[in-house]
Amino acid sequence: EDQVTQSPEALRLQEGESSSLNCSYTVSGLRGLFWYRQDPGKGPEFLFTLYSAGEEKEKERLKATLTKKESFLHITAPKPEDSATYLCAVQDYNNNDMRFGAGTRLTVKP
Amino acid sequence: EAGVAQSPRYKIIEKRQSVAFWCNPISGHATLYWYQQILGQGPKLLIQFQNNGVVDDSQLPKDRFSAERLKGVDSTLKIQPAKLEDSAVYLCASSLTSGFGETQYFGPGTRLLVL
Repeated sequence: EDQVTQSPEALRLQEGESSSLNCSYTVSGLRGLFWYRQDPGKGPEFLFTLYSAGEEKEKERLKATLTKKESFLHITAPKPEDSATYLCAVQDYNNNDMRFGAGTRLTVKP
Repeated sequence: EAGVAQSPRYKIIEKRQSVAFWCNPISGHATLYWYQQILGQGPKLLIQFQNNGVVDDSQLPKDRFSAERLKGVDSTLKIQPAKLEDSAVYLCASSLTSGFGETQYFGPGTRLLVL
């Protein structure tokens, strides 16, 4: 069965303090790995899709990377507005559904 | 472009009552999904529609949950009767197709509290 584990559960950073969030996954055949951002009281907002090991994507202060077993979301010089829960999800060739991790709750203090 | 619309945004009911949620996907999106997100967890797929047909409902508790997507556009998810453990956010998402790595776009969700 597909499994997605995100770490840490919660992360507190000072503004400007760079860090990384981890998403470890187990799938029979990766169709895609997705990163979403979720603000309190809102639905998940799409950030990135990664399809194969070695792939990287960037958007403003965020950079997502993918290996055969895990993905990292690197946050460079974060700002308070980056505070949110970051969700990772995987889709494999044997299932229609997208399997989500529990998320990492990021807080960036000014 | 308008996003995924959901209503109501909040609902409080007593156990054993029934409740219904409505979703209108992004215009032109053929695939519609309903997810359940319990506090502190990631979303879990309940049912997936392709146009007006069900693609996957393997995780839908069919003894109490039902969903339909008449005419292949908007959709309704119903719970009858509700249990305490159904307290969660119910998220609707849509995608252009159900193809390889297709991006799903989520609505704001309906927050259900069962007392």
